[in-house]
Amino acid sequence: GESVGLHLPTLSVQEGDNSIINCAYSNSASDYFIWYKQESGKGPQFIIDIRSNMDKRQGQRVTVLLNKTVKHLSLQIAATQPGDSAVYFCAIGGNMLTFGGGTRLMVKP
Amino acid sequence: GAGVSQSPSNKVTEKGKDVELRCDPISGHTALYWYRQSLGQGLEFLIYFQGNSAPDKSGLPSDRFSAERTGGSVSTLTIQRTQQEDSAVYLCASSLSPSPTGGRYEQYFGPGTRLTVT
Repeated sequence: GESVGLHLPTLSVQEGDNSIINCAYSNSASDYFIWYKQESGKGPQFIIDIRSNMDKRQGQRVTVLLNKTVKHLSLQIAATQPGDSAVYFCAIGGNMLTFGGGTRLMVKP
Repeated sequence: GAGVSQSPSNKVTEKGKDVELRCDPISGHTALYWYRQSLGQGLEFLIYFQGNSAPDKSGLPSDRFSAERTGGSVSTLTIQRTQQEDSAVYLCASSLSPSPTGGRYEQYFGPGTRLTVT
């Protein structure tokens, strides 16, 4: 079965710095990957996705990198802002989406 | 358009009582999912529906938990004889499709129902 893990349960960064949140997966057949952001008291919200035929995709201040060789996914947030403080989940697609355990990003002013 | 809605937003119940949680998915989404999230934890998959049928009930923690979906739309998650360990946020999500049939199948989440069993 699929297993998804995160390298760091909590990440603390200074406002203005870049943030990198990591996610490892085990199923090499996974072909679709999503990052979600969950703010306190709300449901997870879609941030950015990437398919397995790509290794990088950029959005507004966010970049997702996919390394299929080592089965690793990362989310990079540029110029981190206080509003970025949240829990970030990766979700791995196979037959269904499987969610990772989440990383809490804390932004220090 | 309207997103996924859930009701109630908060529910406090006494141990041993039954509760029903409701989810209204995005119109046209065939797949519907229920998750449970304990405080400070990740998402625990409970069940998913494709249309009105539930191909995967593997995540339901016990036979006290059941769910149904009618008309391919609204879903109800029922917890019978609630226990204190059932206290959590119950999240519902919907998607156009549950599987990668050549398209995106990201899940859209509702705000959740916070259940507290006293």
